[in-house]
Amino acid sequence: KAGVTQTPRYLIKTRGQQVTLSCSPISGHRSVSWYQQTPGQGLQFLFEYFSETQRNKGNFPGRFSGRQFSNSRSEMNVSTLELGDSALYLCASSLAGGLGANVLTFGAGSRLTVL
Amino acid sequence: AQTVTQSQPEMSVQEAETVTLSCTYDTSESNYYLFWYKQPPSRQMILVIRQEAYKQQNATENRFSVNFQKAAKSFSLKISDSQLGDTAMYFCAFMKPEFNYGGATNKLIFGTGTLLAVQP
Repeated sequence: KAGVTQTPRYLIKTRGQQVTLSCSPISGHRSVSWYQQTPGQGLQFLFEYFSETQRNKGNFPGRFSGRQFSNSRSEMNVSTLELGDSALYLCASSLAGGLGANVLTFGAGSRLTVL
Repeated sequence: AQTVTQSQPEMSVQEAETVTLSCTYDTSESNYYLFWYKQPPSRQMILVIRQEAYKQQNATENRFSVNFQKAAKSFSLKISDSQLGDTAMYFCAFMKPEFNYGGATNKLIFGTGTLLAVQP
């Protein structure tokens, strides 16, 4: 069973540009979450998508956006990049629904460097 | 707001020995979940163990076990018979089920992590 796949693994952008990161969840997983990991702020929740709907959002500016497609694949976009956006962006998928906490399975991440 | 604190930035242990990683959290919720995740140098985050707050029994997974003290809001991870492959960053995480479209959402609040080095 394939794991969570994130592409690209590494990318370098310059300030002011925009970037799109992709995440393919484990087959059958309908929930996709995104996290930003930086040395200074640690791991922070960006947003979660389920069935093409954003159902939870962290405290990030509107430059950070995402979407989910009908096949559960998700993309996140960061516009007008700033130096502080340099980070490892982690995607996690899980079985959705139910009343309890679902276990998240993480991808290897996309390392974004903003110059 | 919930917070998770890991007070040990780095720890070291000899192979085959036992080590305990500390985690405390702050919440006013009664229903929540706690996790330990491991992030090896390859960066893939892996679930180590999970604990439901309503369960008094401490969770165990092979060489990994937790000491969950709900009143003290403490959730420590014990690794027995440490192996070189246990070298990684360990994150403690908190999740409060928030019910929304499609069921409970999956927002994790992470601690700052403990870098564990297992020495041969």
